[in-house]
Amino acid sequence: DVKVTQSSRYLVKRTGEKVFLECVQDMDHENMFWYRQDPGLGLRLIYFSYDVKMKEKGDIPEGYSVSREKKERFSLILESASTNQTSMYLCASSFSNSNQPQHFGDGTRLSIL
Amino acid sequence: ELKVEQNPLFLSMQEGKNYTIYCNYSTTSDRLYWYRQDPGKSLESLFVLLSNGAVKQEGRLMASLDTKARLSTLHITAAVHDLSATYFCAVGKDDKIIFGKGTRLHILP
Repeated sequence: DVKVTQSSRYLVKRTGEKVFLECVQDMDHENMFWYRQDPGLGLRLIYFSYDVKMKEKGDIPEGYSVSREKKERFSLILESASTNQTSMYLCASSFSNSNQPQHFGDGTRLSIL
Repeated sequence: ELKVEQNPLFLSMQEGKNYTIYCNYSTTSDRLYWYRQDPGKSLESLFVLLSNGAVKQEGRLMASLDTKARLSTLHITAAVHDLSATYFCAVGKDDKIIFGKGTRLHILP
């Protein structure tokens, strides 16, 4: 069974901290994505990656960075967390230009105090 | 820039009724997805539509795609309470996938 695993379901951090969210997939997918989900705003794309060490900005990259050193792992980094980054973060993966859907992790609910 | 608009954003309907959710997108695309999300859960894939005129059905849900109008619809037939959820459409262009804001569907017994 396909699996996208996010390292934490719930996370509480303080303003100014550097925060790492980790995502691992076991399906050999080329593409990986980070979205944030907020009430009334749907899913907004932060960054995506189509290959190891490659990354592309999504619609809301400000305040975030990403790292993809291995094909199966895609990390989202909040360089200096702020309260407006409190949100649900969803990781997804898919084959490149595929007719198959993305597979999503269970999400990380991040609270910045 | 690829933009995806869904409407309505919220829908409350009686069991047994039919209704349609609309998904418009702004630029040409090579694929369109529909997902379902239950409260507190992640997203579950419902349909993938790849070509103009594509129609897919699963139970009481039917999705269609008109690439010329840049429009997809998700039609609900004879709604039942179990279909209460948030439904998202998403549009793919190259490797990028952009989501609509979702339609929160509440089906009343």
